[in-house]
Order: sequence, then structure tokens, then C-alpha cells
Amino acid sequence: GAVVSQHPSRVICKSGTSVKIECRSLDFQATTMFWYRQFPKKSLMLMATSNEGSKATYEQGVEKDKFLINHASLTLSTLTVTSAHPEDSSFYICSAREGTRRETQYFGPGTRLLVL
Amino acid sequence: AQKITQTQPGMFVQEKEAVTLDCTYDTSDQSYGLFWYKQPSSGEMIFLIYQGSYDEQNATEGRYSLNFQKARKSANLVISASQLGDSAMYFCAMRDGNNNAGNMLTFGGGTRLMVKP
Repeated sequence: GAVVSQHPSRVICKSGTSVKIECRSLDFQATTMFWYRQFPKKSLMLMATSNEGSKATYEQGVEKDKFLINHASLTLSTLTVTSAHPEDSSFYICSAREGTRRETQYFGPGTRLLVL
Repeated sequence: AQKITQTQPGMFVQEKEAVTLDCTYDTSDQSYGLFWYKQPSSGEMIFLIYQGSYDEQNATEGRYSLNFQKARKSANLVISASQLGDSAMYFCAMRDGNNNAGNMLTFGGGTRLMVKP
């Protein structure tokens, strides 16, 4: 199956700093990438949908100035958590949809963010 | 609006037995897709099986099968011959076929499956 990577897998940062998370599709071109957030023992919540070369579409309640998404190429999307606070601590997962396979999204391994 | 419901927060199954994880959905769309994902403790999401709303046959992938009952709007996952490695969280998800934002998924709350030796 298709492979999606995320980097870093874990990050600890101080409150007020910015953190960038990368999501890469390794063996296919992802026309669309999705960013999810997952709290402990909870389901995944979609944060935003990212299409290559255009602005991301954010879900209601997600601050676009707080969570900056860039999808500069067909294999890379980045999520930047700006001025991170402890309440931003969470598990962030990206997924990518291959252009030809509409029915399946491939997920990255996730990034655990801890803001102190 | 879409809604995915998984009514079993946790389940136990004896090794080598079959288990059914429930999923019901609510949508007014005629075209949609249903998915099951497995999430082990490491956190990664592993795609298991897909069922399209127009598929007449129930989907099967190895030990996984999807019991699709369209009239009841249910898409239960059946795992046959459970293995210890099946212990994980399982999420049911639905794709909106008419979504212009690129087929985003809506997830259910998940079911934690624990396989007993």
C-alpha cells in the first residue's frame, strides 16, 4: 500500500514557540492531504483539508492563524502550530489521498506534541 | 450532516473466536463510502477495509469482512479467528461522496478491542 510519513514523531516544546510538522507521501502523489487531531482515548477530529497549490479549508472552530497549513507540492504538506500553548498538546495525524484512488486515505504515523 | 456511531466503547474476545464491531451511520447522500481503520497503541492508523454505497457485495479482506446493511445504515466489521495482535482501537469512518473538499472522512468514536489468550 501507499506510504505516508510524518516528521517529527514526537516533539516537546516550550509555550510560545512554533512547531512545524511535515507530512509526506513517499510513493504516490497526494492531491489532497488532511490534518487530524486526536486527544487521548478520543476519536480523530478533522482540522483542515489541504489541496496542493491552494489554501487549506479549515473545519469550524479551528483557528487558521494558529494552525498554518502549507501544501506546496504533491508530496508534502506542513502543519505549523504557532505560538503553541499547553492546550495544543495532542496527537496530530495527517492523511493523504492519492489522485486516482478516491476511496482510500493513507495515514501517517502521527506526531505527539507536548507543550510545556 | 453526517454521523457515525460506534456503540461499543470496549469489547473482549477470546483468541481464535470471531468478533463483530458495530457501526451505524446517518447520511442523506446516495453516494458514500464506509471505512474501517485499526489504531494500535503506537498510534498509527491502519486501513482495513472499504465498502462503497453502491457495492452489492459485502467487502472482504482476509480475516476482515464488512457486514453492510444499507437499509439499516449499518456497516459492522467482522474479524474472524481473532489474534492477540488484533487488540487495538477500531474506527469506523464515512466519506461524503459529494464533498467538494476532497472526500474528507468523518470518524466514529471508536471501539477498543481486547483479545484474550
